[in-house]
Amino acid sequence: DQQVKQNSPSLSVQEGRISILNCDYTNSMFDYFLWYKKYPAEGPTFLISISSIKDKNEDGRFTVFLNKSAKHLSLHIVPSQPGDSAVYFCAASDWGNGGSQGNLIFGKGTKLSVKP
Amino acid sequence: DAGVTQSPTHLIKTRGQQVTLRCSPKSGHDTVSWYQQALGQGPQFIFQYYEEEERQRGNFPDRFSGHQFPNYSSELNVNALLLGDSALYLCASSLFLALTNYGYTFGSGTRLTVV
Repeated sequence: DQQVKQNSPSLSVQEGRISILNCDYTNSMFDYFLWYKKYPAEGPTFLISISSIKDKNEDGRFTVFLNKSAKHLSLHIVPSQPGDSAVYFCAASDWGNGGSQGNLIFGKGTKLSVKP
Repeated sequence: DAGVTQSPTHLIKTRGQQVTLRCSPKSGHDTVSWYQQALGQGPQFIFQYYEEEERQRGNFPDRFSGHQFPNYSSELNVNALLLGDSALYLCASSLFLALTNYGYTFGSGTRLTVV
């Protein structure tokens, strides 16, 4: 039973355009969401997060949107650059709702390719 | 400032054997979590150590055990290896109770192959 779903295994975007990566979740107790970026042969790197009390968080070229009613979040990258090519993981937790602190639930990832 | 260091980077073991993976957390961090990432999957939480105790555990059998040392470094032990244990094992360090804005710092992982 997958609690965090990234339904697009891959996404290809032209340099300079917008990349939109999507993530759906099923557990209504999740209250904190994170995006990680992973290059081959490296560990995941924290990118951006959002608390369930917000619907948007922005950091430079990266913006995460949260739609709680739809249990959906998305990561927007504008403009996309070739160096953004990596696997992006969506992760969720229920820390604020008394859940287990160490346990992040990850999706399967979306491989983003940004073409020059 | 060194990040999270894991050793070894790659390992090949035979079914039934035992393996120990090691992790040194980022300087200043006191908590270590271990994750298993099978091919084509996202990382799955194994367990977390803080103050040399296992604080939380994911849905993994008792064959998976760990330890944290006074210097905060940690080991993951897997006994009676199965082919299905082949995966990338990721260590993540953090400050206990300070996880909200920054998540973890992950190491590059140990690639374990069981043959």
